[in-house]
Amino acid sequence: SQTIHQWPATLVQPVGSPLSLECTVEGTSNPNLYWYRQAAGRGLQLLFYSVGIGQISSEVPQNLSASRPQDRQFILSSKKLLLSDSGFYLCAWSVGTGGPSSYEQYFGPGTRLTVT
Amino acid sequence: GEDVEQSLFLSVREGDSSVINCTYTDSSSTYLYWYKQEPGAGLQLLTYIFSNMDMKQDQRLTVLLNKKDKHLSLRIADTQTGDSAIYFCAEKPPGYSSASKIIFGSGTRLSIRP
Repeated sequence: SQTIHQWPATLVQPVGSPLSLECTVEGTSNPNLYWYRQAAGRGLQLLFYSVGIGQISSEVPQNLSASRPQDRQFILSSKKLLLSDSGFYLCAWSVGTGGPSSYEQYFGPGTRLTVT
Repeated sequence: GEDVEQSLFLSVREGDSSVINCTYTDSSSTYLYWYKQEPGAGLQLLTYIFSNMDMKQDQRLTVLLNKKDKHLSLRIADTQTGDSAIYFCAEKPPGYSSASKIIFGSGTRLSIRP
């Protein structure tokens, strides 16, 4: 069966510090991968998605970046955090072969980031 | 453009039915989803409906789709305390995309009264 991991679970970082959040998927190959942010009391905002190693699409301009160094690894980074980066960050995957089954996304447990 | 709207809060009595509503703007969306998020956790796919269907039932869950009005609803029968969560409506816009981007609503927080 497939599982998705995120770490750390919680993180408190000062403004201006760097960030690295990691997401890994097990039990599947060539997944599509996604990073979302959920601000307090708000819906989900898609930040980045990836259809393959080294292929990153950005949905919103910001001071965050994403990388996919391996097939099942997705990393969210920032060189300098802002207060507005606080939120709940969710990684998700979907089947990468196209067709109806690729339209279902499966989410990780999330990382709660507080920027102070 | 693409937009999904939901009311933010719903409170129901335990044992009653809950109905969570959602409206979407893209009438050509192919799939519509309901996700559940329990406190401090990620999202869990509850059910989805293909756009050529009007209704889908899965145990206590019933999804109704009104394409004319672009309205989607989720009915939870015999609501229990374990149903307390945020429920997200989402749509899959048309067009080929191997990344299968999904547009999420803001979520409806369902609380259960004893």
